[in-house]
Amino acid sequence: DTAVSQTPKYLVTQMGNDKSIKCEQNLGHDTMYWYKQDSKKFLKIMFSYNNKELIINETVPNRFSPKSPDKAHLNLHINSLELGDSAVYFCASSRGQGGLNTEAFFGQGTRLTVV
Amino acid sequence: AQSVTQLDSHVSVSEGTPVLLRCNYSSSYSPSLFWYVQHPNKGLQLLLKYTSAATLVKGINGFEAEFKKSETSFHLTKPSAHMSDAAEYFCVVTLMNTGFQKLVFGTGTRLLVSP
Repeated sequence: DTAVSQTPKYLVTQMGNDKSIKCEQNLGHDTMYWYKQDSKKFLKIMFSYNNKELIINETVPNRFSPKSPDKAHLNLHINSLELGDSAVYFCASSRGQGGLNTEAFFGQGTRLTVV
Repeated sequence: AQSVTQLDSHVSVSEGTPVLLRCNYSSSYSPSLFWYVQHPNKGLQLLLKYTSAATLVKGINGFEAEFKKSETSFHLTKPSAHMSDAAEYFCVVTLMNTGFQKLVFGTGTRLLVSP
């Protein structure tokens, strides 16, 4: 009954590779997000989608390409992985347009390690 | 611009003693504020949220927070710490971007609980 699920949980890959992280939510939410948590635990939004449409793109390198095939899924594809991409990536969702009082529900995170 | 400042990177308490995690916010409009908790190698879980209905907000696991506009603060408290409270705590403010929200995270406070 996981509300927001991400796969894989751990991902170790070499520099230059291309990888994808998948996210699915079963909460019926309209808005989904990707957040990045760096080694100092700082969390920052990367992307936000509402009903499959890109809403927020926070100056993320274009090597990162989110894709939302339907409003329950938001996948993150990363091309030409770099050492600095190593982080924990969190998927999240919220209902409606994610208005001012709306909390986000987070997945368990994907720990990406680039070697 | 909306932001939050968590004044302590680490807080250490003994089991059974009170917990105080401090957060100050900056917002150009009446903010929505949240506290999230992250246990080691886990996702983010919502503890509580302030949405202007009441200044004292009760959350899960005995935590509560008080919104003080005059002090621009939203400190998290618990009367008696439990070992299971050891985790990273994030104070979060909502920033609205063209009608959609994004969560702006503080830098986090690590709570250490000793026996």
